[in-house]
Amino acid sequence: DTGVSQDPRHKITKRGQNVTFRCDPISEHNRLYWYRQTLGQGPEFLTYFQNEAQLEKSRLLSDRFSAERPKGSFSTLEIQRTEQGDSAMYLCASTLSNSGANVLTFGAGSRLTVL
Amino acid sequence: AQTVTQSQPEMSVQEAETVTLSCTYDTSESDYYLFWYKQPPSRQMILVIRQEAYKQQNATENRFSVNFQKAAKSFSLKISDSQLGDAAMYFCAYSRTNFGNEKLTFGTGTRLTIIP
Repeated sequence: DTGVSQDPRHKITKRGQNVTFRCDPISEHNRLYWYRQTLGQGPEFLTYFQNEAQLEKSRLLSDRFSAERPKGSFSTLEIQRTEQGDSAMYLCASTLSNSGANVLTFGAGSRLTVL
Repeated sequence: AQTVTQSQPEMSVQEAETVTLSCTYDTSESDYYLFWYKQPPSRQMILVIRQEAYKQQNATENRFSVNFQKAAKSFSLKISDSQLGDAAMYFCAYSRTNFGNEKLTFGTGTRLTIIP
């Protein structure tokens, strides 16, 4: 088990372009979370999945953002028509529900820079 | 809504000394979890220590311990015998129990520098 993997680690794009990030969670983990972290701030919750079902979305997740977890394994986070304010680190985390620990395992993140 | 406040943006400590990072939180819940996560320069968040609110005993993990004051809604992290590898951003975080998920609310972090 190699932990939570995120790809790409860094993406530079021009304003108005679409970007997609991928997260591969720990294989037996059924819950997957996306967070956004801007410079000097703590991570902020965006959305989470249990298996393939998206169970909660933050108000931070505007209609330009969409997340999927089609087969209950990896997940993608797409941002359409990127804006400079989207520049941030996008973190993915996973866990096994009902483990009683409430502990998330994080990936190293995907850093987005919008020019 | 739950909030987590870390009032120390930066802290520094001499190697081998002890340092305490502060965290306060606000919640109306009686049962919840509190965490300290470490984020080294490589950016992967790592769990340092976890506290369940219904447990009065303070959690300890090797050189890391917490001072959990439930009535004061305070949750500080003490790092003993500081090592160069402890240099990182430290985030205090909160999650509810009995809510069906492990969603975390984070503070703004404390950058810890270790002075050789």
